[in-house]
Amino acid sequence: DAGVTQSPTHLIKTRGQHVTLRCSPISGHKSVSWYQQVLGQGPQFIFQYYEKEERGRGNFPDRFSARQFPNYSSELNVNALLLGDSALYLCASTLDSYNEQFFGPGTRLTVL
Amino acid sequence: GEDVEQSLFLSVREGDSSVINCTYTDSSSTYLYWYKQEPGAGLQLLTYIFSNMDMKQDQRLTVLLNKKDKHLSLRIADTQTGDSAIYFCAEKADSWGKLQFGAGTQVVVTP
Repeated sequence: DAGVTQSPTHLIKTRGQHVTLRCSPISGHKSVSWYQQVLGQGPQFIFQYYEKEERGRGNFPDRFSARQFPNYSSELNVNALLLGDSALYLCASTLDSYNEQFFGPGTRLTVL
Repeated sequence: GEDVEQSLFLSVREGDSSVINCTYTDSSSTYLYWYKQEPGAGLQLLTYIFSNMDMKQDQRLTVLLNKKDKHLSLRIADTQTGDSAIYFCAEKADSWGKLQFGAGTQVVVTP
């Protein structure tokens, strides 16, 4: 079985632009979480979705939004990009909200 | 509030044991995790321990949990060069699965 997949792997944007990151969970997993990892730090929780509903939100501005589709894949959207949004964005999937989370390889976003 | 703290760096000789330490503050945490991250890669789940356990062993990995002191450790026996990576401690911070991570411990294995 394939693991968690994310696209694109790398992305370069300029300040003020918008970005959409995509994640496909492990087959059969119904919950997806998004994390931001700034260089040299641990991942910070952004969102969790379960069965297409938002179950948790971290301390991020409203410029960050996400959604989960009927096939359990997910998108993370970031509007009005700032330099500080440059980071590795990680997606994690879990069977349900109570099991261990498995991470994808991440999308490296660079904002110039 | 929630905070997970780890030492930032550990150097160990190949073949020796490595011990990575972590402290957490949320006494209601149900699960505690160890993840490994190699350069440019995502996070690999190594092992986890439920909060009602004191110890868990999985091949070369041993997790010790001192719930009274909110202290978690990961011991890697017979450390190999392939174990060089950043290791993150994480606690499950709410019932829905939000993970709170430490800043990571960089482990460097020298021949």
